Amino acid sequence: NAGVTQTPKFQVLKTGQSMTLQCAQDMNHNSMYWYRQDPGMGLRLIYYSASEGTTDKGEVPNGYNVSRLNKREFSLRLESAAPSQTSVYFCASSEVGAGGYWAEAFFGQGTRLTVV
Amino acid sequence: AQSVAQPEDQVNVAEGNPLTVKCTYSVSGNPYLFWYVQYPNRGLQFLLKYITGDNLVKGSYGFEAEFNKSQTSFHLKKPSALVSDSALYFCAVRDVLYNTDKLIFGTGTRLQVFP
Repeated sequence: NAGVTQTPKFQVLKTGQSMTLQCAQDMNHNSMYWYRQDPGMGLRLIYYSASEGTTDKGEVPNGYNVSRLNKREFSLRLESAAPSQTSVYFCASSEVGAGGYWAEAFFGQGTRLTVV
Repeated sequence: AQSVAQPEDQVNVAEGNPLTVKCTYSVSGNPYLFWYVQYPNRGLQFLLKYITGDNLVKGSYGFEAEFNKSQTSFHLKKPSALVSDSALYFCAVRDVLYNTDKLIFGTGTRLQVFP
């Protein structure tokens, strides 16, 4: 059981380049998330998706786009990378568990992105 | 909008002593509250959660947390700290009534346990 898988693990981009971060989960969860982690800022929510075909903005969505390709996959795209987007990016998924209560979120191992 | 505050950037404690990592929250309705731990160069690992019921919640690795509705707090505690507990700890919240899919994290608290 792989859980949440992110690719790539590391990436260096030049300013203005584009790239897509991939995320897939094999737990049949409806909800998926993209966060960025920066020193002193904690984890900030970029976008989330409550179900296949829906996406919503989080706390810091500017400069990013997302696609919920199917129930398993949720990708994050940087159309024109900027140095301010240098960060560690985490994908997560979660689901409503038994009794109708939210279970915990499961996280991928992260993508360390550097924009030069 | 929901939010979480972790007022301490770092907590230092001697091994064997009790530890507390503080968290306060703000939601429109009732909260679902979570604690996660992150070890260096790793993803986040779930420790414990408060959904409903008993205000004292027990979790992994001997950690527990106390939900206090009047103080809107959910502090993480452990009776006897270990050096191996040194890590980055995050509190997170969902708003039960509004937009429960949205999971918001605090800024994190670095716990350093000294031998």
